[in-house]
Amino acid sequence: GAVVSQHPSWVICKSGTSVKIECRSLDFQATTMFWYRQFPKQSLMLMATSNEGSKATYEQGVEKDKFLINHASLTLSTLTVTSAHPEDSSFYICSARSRYGGETQYFGPGTRLLVL
Amino acid sequence: ELKVEQNPLFLSMQEGKNYTIYCNYSTTSDRLYWYRQDPGKSLESLFVLLSNGAVKQEGRLMASLDTKARLSTLHITAAVHDLSATYFCAVDMEGGATNKLIFGTGTLLAVQP
Repeated sequence: GAVVSQHPSWVICKSGTSVKIECRSLDFQATTMFWYRQFPKQSLMLMATSNEGSKATYEQGVEKDKFLINHASLTLSTLTVTSAHPEDSSFYICSARSRYGGETQYFGPGTRLLVL
Repeated sequence: ELKVEQNPLFLSMQEGKNYTIYCNYSTTSDRLYWYRQDPGKSLESLFVLLSNGAVKQEGRLMASLDTKARLSTLHITAAVHDLSATYFCAVDMEGGATNKLIFGTGTLLAVQP
């Protein structure tokens, strides 16, 4: 089955630093990847849609300069949280949809970010 | 703005019992998804419902979709402890055009022995 990986699985950083999270589709090509954020005991909130070779589309209220998304290839998208602050601490999950269609989004295992 | 609401938010049930989780959404869409999330883990895809009247079953779980009523249900039959998890429904934001999902509030299911 389709597998999506994320790296790192967890990260602790100091306030003001930047953190990069990678999302990879391991056994399929994904023209579109999605980034979600989930706070404890809450639902997933879509942050942005990442398209290979073009700029990401951000949802309303998500700061594009703070959450930099790059989708450099058909198997890799990265999310960089710039100048992280404690309120950015969250569970970040990516998902990918196969280039060849299909209705299922495949979710990565998530990255837990803690900003001190 | 698309809103997706689940009911109940929390469900405690005994093993062997049946129950239904409801998912209501506020705009037209013919694509609805159900996911399971275990504590501290990511999402596991359970069902993809693509048309009005769609019904899918896997083990003790059965999902259905009524696009006219903008309602999906996840029915649990003879619950077992292993089903304890949080269940999310998600609706395609633009009726399938973009595959951007809006998630419901989630239902935390606790199955008691």
